[in-house]
Amino acid sequence: AQSVTQLGSHVSVSEGALVLLRCNYSSSVPPYLFWYVQYPNQGLQLLLKYTSAATLVKGINGFEAEFKKSETSFHLTKPSAHMSDAAEYFCAVSYSGAGSYQLTFGKGTKLSVIP
Amino acid sequence: EAGVTQFPSHSVIEKGQTVTLRCDPISGHDNLYWYRRVMGKEIKFLLHFVKESKQDESGMPNNRFLAERTGGTYSTLKVQPAELEDSGVYFCASSQEASGLDRGTQYFGPGTRLTVL
Repeated sequence: AQSVTQLGSHVSVSEGALVLLRCNYSSSVPPYLFWYVQYPNQGLQLLLKYTSAATLVKGINGFEAEFKKSETSFHLTKPSAHMSDAAEYFCAVSYSGAGSYQLTFGKGTKLSVIP
Repeated sequence: EAGVTQFPSHSVIEKGQTVTLRCDPISGHDNLYWYRRVMGKEIKFLLHFVKESKQDESGMPNNRFLAERTGGTYSTLKVQPAELEDSGVYFCASSQEASGLDRGTQYFGPGTRLTVL
């Protein structure tokens, strides 16, 4: 069984500061890992994904995440927060088993950016 | 290219009534998924279609929920009769056949917010 833990349901950072959103996963097989973002009143948008290629993954809007197998982590970072980054972020895991890539999500982290 | 669309965006119904949610996937995507987020909880998988066939419906909560995908195009999710605990946001996602760099990547619609009173 797979599971995802996102540490911190709410994170606040100052504009220009480092953004770090934590995600740990458990999976019995090599996983695919994703970060999605949901802006207010919008659907889920894919930020980035890890699918067993490079361990450092770059996504849209300056975000990146590093897959660390030894730590079972896939933390999301951005060097400098912008006001437009305020949103809810979801880490998710899936794997290529049984023909279904159903996603298992974490509970989400709401990011606030303080001017 | 149009993204995943869902209709309606909001629905408010009374307990015991029936509601049907619709999802139109990205054109050419054989895989269609339904998810639900109940307030305060994580987004949870409901079921997965490959074309018109149900590949995995292990997440469907009970037999009040019926999903169909006629002709392998759009899908509907019917809740009958609705209960208070069915309130939440229902998301639809679609993906291409699992191959290449896009393997497993799901593209989500904006969701339908269902409120059962």
